[in-house]
Amino acid sequence: DAGVIQSPRHEVTEMGQEVTLRCKPISGHNSLFWYRQTMMRGLELLIYFNNNVPIDDSGMPEDRFSAKMPNASFSTLKIQPSEPRDSAVYFCASSLLGGTGELFFGEGSRLTVL
Amino acid sequence: KQEVTQIPAALSVPEGENLVLNCSFTDSAIYNLQWFRQDPGKGLTSLLLIQSSQREQTSGRLNASLDKSSGRSTLYIAASQPGDSATYLCAVENDYKLSFGAGTTVTVRA
Repeated sequence: DAGVIQSPRHEVTEMGQEVTLRCKPISGHNSLFWYRQTMMRGLELLIYFNNNVPIDDSGMPEDRFSAKMPNASFSTLKIQPSEPRDSAVYFCASSLLGGTGELFFGEGSRLTVL
Repeated sequence: KQEVTQIPAALSVPEGENLVLNCSFTDSAIYNLQWFRQDPGKGLTSLLLIQSSQREQTSGRLNASLDKSSGRSTLYIAASQPGDSATYLCAVENDYKLSFGAGTTVTVRA
C-alpha cells in the first residue's frame, strides 16, 4: 500500500485566496483525521471522519475552514479565504476503527499564506 | 481535557548511549498510547502502540512502558545511533481523539 497520500506537498498563496488540500487515506481504513501542526501549538486535531461522516469538527478554527469526505478514498480540507495565521503544516491521517488504533500519517501539506 | 507533557524538550547524546524519553498525561482513561517519530519536513511514523491493558511493547531497540494509573509512559532506545536523531512524539487516545505531546527532539552525536 502506498500509505496516506496528500497533495499538494507545498502551497504558497496570498491572503484571501482559496486553498484546497487533498488526502487519499489507506485503502480499507474507515477513520480519517485532519491535523494542523505549528511550532506554537503543536499538533491539533481539526476534524475526524468515520465511514465518510464527520463525527467531530470542534477543532476547526472558524467558518473559513471546511472539510469533506465524498467517498472512502478521498477527503479535502478547504480554507476560504486564507489568512497568514493559517500558515502551518496540515496532516491527514487514517486508521481502522475496531483495529489496533494505529494511526498512519501522510507527509503533510505545508501551507504558506503571504 | 487531556494534557500530554514530554520531558525533556530536547536531548543530545553520544552514539551508543541509551535514550530515555518521558511522557505524562492527565486523564488515565485512555484507550491506547502511541509513540511516533517525526523527521524534519516529514510526517509522523508510528513506532509503538501500547493498548491500555498492556504494560509495555518492544520493537527491536525500542521499548515503551505504560503506567496508566500514574499517567506515565517511557520510551527507551537502546544503543543510540545517529540515524535515531529525530523528534519523538507521544500521543494518547481517548475515544477516537489522539492528544499529542510537544515532542522530544533527539540528537545523537557520532
